[in-house]
Amino acid sequence: QVQLVQSGAEVKRPGASVKVSCKASGYAFNTYDINWVRQGPGQGLEWMGWMNPNSGNTGYARRFQGRVSITRDSSITTAFLELRSLKSEDTAVYFCVRGRQWLAPFDLWGQGTLVTVPP
Amino acid sequence: QTVLTQPPSVSGAPGQRVTISCTGSSSNLGAGYDVHWYQQVPGTAPKLLIYGNKNRPSGVPDRFSGSKSGSSASLTITGLQAEDEADYYCQSYDDRLDGSRVFGTGTKVTVL
Repeated sequence: QVQLVQSGAEVKRPGASVKVSCKASGYAFNTYDINWVRQGPGQGLEWMGWMNPNSGNTGYARRFQGRVSITRDSSITTAFLELRSLKSEDTAVYFCVRGRQWLAPFDLWGQGTLVTVPP
Repeated sequence: QTVLTQPPSVSGAPGQRVTISCTGSSSNLGAGYDVHWYQQVPGTAPKLLIYGNKNRPSGVPDRFSGSKSGSSASLTITGLQAEDEADYYCQSYDDRLDGSRVFGTGTKVTVL
C-alpha cells in the first residue's frame, strides 16, 4: 500500500526543537521529493520546504530558513522534519507530502502530526 | 504573505454549480506555472483533486473541473453533492520566493 505514515503528536516548550518522522512505503522512496506543509489551528496550508531523497538536496521557504532542516534515512525510507527555536505560533499540524519534482502536484499526503507549543 | 487569493467561502444547493477562483500574479500563475487543487475535509489530510490546471487523478468524480487563464484559475463543481462540503486550496509555484511552492488562501464550500 502506497502511504506516508507520520510519528505521533508532540508537546514542546518554547525554545525547544521538534523532530517529526515520515515513513514511506509502497513506492520507490528515492524517486519522489518529500515536502513538508503545515496548517495552524483554523488556518490554511503553508509550504515549509522540500528534499530530494536521492541527492539529499533541500530547499526551504524563506520564513523558515535557519530554523528548519529536512533530512532522510534512505535505509528505512523515512524523512524527517526538524524545527528549532519553537514559538507558540508554531503550533500546527505538520504534513509530509510526496511530489515527483519541483512543479509536480502533491499526490500523496501523510496523516499529519500535531505539534503543540504552549505559550 | 498572500500570493494566491481565493474567496473565503462559496455555497450552493445540491445539484447546483459552484466556482472557486484563484487569483495570482506574474510570478506564479501569470508566469505559466500550473495550478493544482486540493480538497480537505476538516480533520483529515488534503487530497489532490485537480493537477496540471485541468486534469483529474483516478477516482476523482468528473463533476470536478479546472481551468486556468493568465494569472487566474478556477475550480468548478457541477452538480454539487453533500459530500463536497470541504475546504479547497489552489497551489502553484512562485519564482520570486526562492523556489517556493505556494498555496491559495482556501475556500470553504458549504452545501445548503
